[in-house]
Order: sequence, then C-alpha cells, then structure tokens
Amino acid sequence: DADVTQTPRNRITKTGKRIMLECSQTKGHDRMYWYRQDPGLGLRLIYYSFDVKDINKGEISDGYSVSRQAQAKFSLSLESAIPNQTALYFCATMGGGLTDTQYFGPGTRLTVL
Amino acid sequence: KQEVTQIPAALSVPEGENLVLNCSFTDSAIYNLQWFRQDPGKGLTSLLLIQSSQREQTSGRLNASLDKSSGRSTLYIAASQPGDSATYLCAVRKTTSGTYKYIFGTGTRLKVLA
Repeated sequence: DADVTQTPRNRITKTGKRIMLECSQTKGHDRMYWYRQDPGLGLRLIYYSFDVKDINKGEISDGYSVSRQAQAKFSLSLESAIPNQTALYFCATMGGGLTDTQYFGPGTRLTVL
Repeated sequence: KQEVTQIPAALSVPEGENLVLNCSFTDSAIYNLQWFRQDPGKGLTSLLLIQSSQREQTSGRLNASLDKSSGRSTLYIAASQPGDSATYLCAVRKTTSGTYKYIFGTGTRLKVLA
C-alpha cells in the first residue's frame, strides 16, 4: 500500500460548492503539507501542519481551510469553490531530520466549472 | 524571498544522449536542495538530496551538483532512456531555524525519444 494516499483522485464540481480533499499517511510523520500545482507555476504551498495542534498558512491559503484530525490525517477544504481553484493538489509528509525528504501522495485533479 | 528557476522548461533529446537540467535559486542560505521526478498522474518522487555542505550526489545514471555560492544546481542524466521521460523539479529548503518547508522550481519537462 502507498505511504501517502489522497481521496478522491479526480473531482469535478461546480462554482460555489464546498468540497473536501483528504490525505492519509502511514509513515508516522508529524509534518504534513498541502500544495497546488498549476501549469507553469510549479508547486505552491497552501497549508502545512507540524503536529495536530500546529497549523500554518502557506503562500496561497486564501479560499482554503484545513483540518488535522489525527497525526495520520490532514484534510483540505474549499469552502466555496471557484474556477481558478482548478488545479492538481498534492499532499506530502516529511520526517523530523535535516536530511529528510518529502513524500508525496498521487495527487487530486480538481476541476471547478 | 527565495525564488527557484528551472531552465529549460521543456527538452526533447534522442535516446542515449547525455543531458543536463539546470536549477537556480536567489538566496544561497539553504539547508539542502532536492531533485524530484514527476510522472503524469502521479506524485513527486525524490531522486537526489544534496546537503548545503556537499558538492554533488550520485545515484545510478544521475548526478546532481550544487554550487551554493552561485545559487546553481545541475542534474546530469547519462545515457538517457525513454523511461526517463518525466518532469523534473528542484526544490530548496531554507536555513531558517525550524524551517521544514521547500520552495519548488517550475520544472523541466523531459522527453527522451526512442
């Protein structure tokens, strides 16, 4: 089984709808991240969490919220989806060492009509 | 503010060719730099991680170098194969105490032609 899983893998929704993207990990890492990827813009950080009680905004948090339900679960919500939130969304985890890398989920492709 | 740039944005080469992908960053105060590979429909996979004190790292046909003072890193791929076709991203981690975040470049989309 994959270490970092995301559900759903694909989602089409309409403007104004509330949707939630979910991420689960089995790596036992405290640090979890949500990114979005747009063509030509690379990955941009939306929110990150260093433990269940520590949640921080990234560079593009407007229009998004998150919930860290447990060490292993980190959800991203779009309260009222808009078309420019159409993107590929990635969840990632990272361990505590200076040499630790990030481990990515397979991504969720979201389309807002 | 740290900015990471990758040139070229896209590259096509014939199979067997050696190639170099470039990554530049504006702030030399980094803990480390990573190269990732991204296949369509999949997440990112770490290829190589270079600590700020290191000059290069090697894994199989891949060699990554780091020149922190000039803000540059290169990923060298030897004897390219069609299976190397993917998008390659570099990312840097800042030295600020307690920072566990990466800044990503925009990627280079590589196509190796059979």
